[in-house]
Amino acid sequence: DGGITQSPKYLFRKEGQNVTLSCEQNLNHDAMYWYRQDPGQGLRLIYYSQIVNDFQKGDIAEGYSVSREKKESFPLTVTSAQKNPTAFYLCASSIDPVDTQYFGPGTRLTVL
Amino acid sequence: GEDVEQSLFLSVREGDSSVINCTYTDSSSTYLYWYKQEPGAGLQLLTYIFSNMDMKQDQRLTVLLNKKDKHLSLRIADTQTGDSAIYFCAEKKVDSNYQLIWGAGTKLIIKP
Repeated sequence: DGGITQSPKYLFRKEGQNVTLSCEQNLNHDAMYWYRQDPGQGLRLIYYSQIVNDFQKGDIAEGYSVSREKKESFPLTVTSAQKNPTAFYLCASSIDPVDTQYFGPGTRLTVL
Repeated sequence: GEDVEQSLFLSVREGDSSVINCTYTDSSSTYLYWYKQEPGAGLQLLTYIFSNMDMKQDQRLTVLLNKKDKHLSLRIADTQTGDSAIYFCAEKKVDSNYQLIWGAGTKLIIKP
């Protein structure tokens, strides 16, 4: 069953804690992306990776970090430096940077 | 302001056609996309159109592109309750490393 998985679906975090969101794909896609979604706004790009072992900052990278050690995995860490982390986080992937992006089911992060 | 603009809400009666509109600003865009998001879920690719096309039809969905006015529309024929969702328009810009620029989404509300 091919696709993009994100875990967990819901995540609660205390202020001051780092938390890591998982994104895995078995589509053999080279490119992967992390977006943040807030109510009434379009998606905003946090980080993207065009190929394994490489990644670039998106529009709102401050307070976030990523790694791309394996082609199928692109975890996102929300650090304590992120001032307003409560949001819905979406991971996507595409065959290459030019091709269509496909999305995972998302993780809702709530900071208590 | 936003590069991609959409109305936030559209209300239609079940069985009628829905027309969701989007305006974009960059004539160098290559592809324009429509994604659907149901509550609490990720984004599902509905359809896309290449910028040298005027129209694309896929079952109940018709996409119209007016490059002169930079206007994109998505028509859903015979709207059903299952079409209730948020619809996002996105443009892929060649001159920004093929990143997607997103509209804020249009929430489609179906009246019985």
